Amino acid sequence: GAGVSQSPRYKVTKRGQDVALRCDPISGHVSLYWYRQALGQGPEFLTYFNYEAQQDKSGLPNDRFSAERPEGSISTLTIQRTEQRDSAMYRCASSLQENTEAFFGQGTRLTVV
Amino acid sequence: QKEVEQDPGPLSVPEGAIVSLNCTYSNSAFQYFMWYRQYSRKGPELLMYTYSSGNKEDGRFTAQVDKSSKYISLFIRDSQPSDSATYLCAMTTNTGNQFYFGTGTSLTVIP
Repeated sequence: GAGVSQSPRYKVTKRGQDVALRCDPISGHVSLYWYRQALGQGPEFLTYFNYEAQQDKSGLPNDRFSAERPEGSISTLTIQRTEQRDSAMYRCASSLQENTEAFFGQGTRLTVV
Repeated sequence: QKEVEQDPGPLSVPEGAIVSLNCTYSNSAFQYFMWYRQYSRKGPELLMYTYSSGNKEDGRFTAQVDKSSKYISLFIRDSQPSDSATYLCAMTTNTGNQFYFGTGTSLTVIP
């Protein structure tokens, strides 16, 4: 596609439910990043893939969060047993290769009620 | 013209030097400005996050934004070998739907 595509754009879920957020990077982009951004704050790094390999997951806040990119293209960020504090904008970005210009998608606004 | 321009370097300085990293941009709607540090094979780490023009200091790091010139800078004082990494600037508008990154500057601090 022309840009990084994320779905859904908005997700409202009940506390305790699992959610899966999808990211479709720019075609041919090797590197893929997941960020979380709370209102009024800067983006917080969550995890990073090069091809299908998860190179860095140090930003995942706890073991309820996981991400995969099985074929080196589309990635899914999964949050299990959601809590209200998980409410934020979740952003995905991709870049042609490591340490090059990254482009963000429009994000998924997650609200846990 | 790219939205954000950043000299890729590489930049090599001796330990203790003051480092100046810069980005220019073309979109006057950018309001939020960020600097990231990325070590090899690691994700970008947010160093500084500033809104609009002005200076922000955090330890050895100072971020400057000059919106009139569409120019942002990151200064590193008393540089250390552990500062060796790629530094990326990033910016976005008030709506924040799209982030724009510079290409990154590779910095090496020589002991």
